Amino acid sequence: SQTIHQWPATLVQPVGSPLSLECTVEGTSNPNLYWYRQAAGRGLQLLFYSVGIGQISSEVPQNLSASRPQDRQFILSSKKLLLSDSGFYLCAWRSGFLEAFFGQGTRLTVV
Amino acid sequence: AQSVAQPEDQVNVAEGNPLTVKCTYSVSGNPYLFWYVQYPNRGLQFLLKYITGDNLVKGSYGFEAEFNKSQTSFHLKKPSALVSDSALYFCAVRAHTNNDMRFGAGTRLTVKP
Repeated sequence: SQTIHQWPATLVQPVGSPLSLECTVEGTSNPNLYWYRQAAGRGLQLLFYSVGIGQISSEVPQNLSASRPQDRQFILSSKKLLLSDSGFYLCAWRSGFLEAFFGQGTRLTVV
Repeated sequence: AQSVAQPEDQVNVAEGNPLTVKCTYSVSGNPYLFWYVQYPNRGLQFLLKYITGDNLVKGSYGFEAEFNKSQTSFHLKKPSALVSDSALYFCAVRAHTNNDMRFGAGTRLTVKP
């Protein structure tokens, strides 16, 4: 069966520090991968999605970036965090016409 | 580009009463439609989906949703609400020809005993 791992669960980082959130998927090949941000327990904002290794589509211009170095690994990064980057970050995967499956999320607080 | 609207930020119902959480969508071509539920500080859990075929879709925990193409709606329903159904509900859409998935702003459902 397929599983998705996302870590860390919580993170507190100072303004201006770098960020690296990692997401890995098991049990499937060539999935579509997604990063979403959820602010204040409300709607999900699509940040990036990837249909293959090295292929990243960015939905919102900002100081975040994403990379997909391996088929089932998706990384969200920032060189310098802003206060406005605080939020709940969710990774998801999808294959074919199936629904997307979500990780448990990372609560990022920038202080 | 596709989009989803959930017109109600909050829905309150009494336990045992039917519930409806509304969703309308905009997409070029045929849609895939989804409902998810989120409990505090957790990821989203899949409830049900519409791909094609029967407009009435049944999903987990007694939830169902009806696809209405003419009204571009996909409302979530349950005949008898439980207190444990209280959570944040998200509708999502993806076009058949697209890879990105768009979510609505979410509707907070509160079921009171």
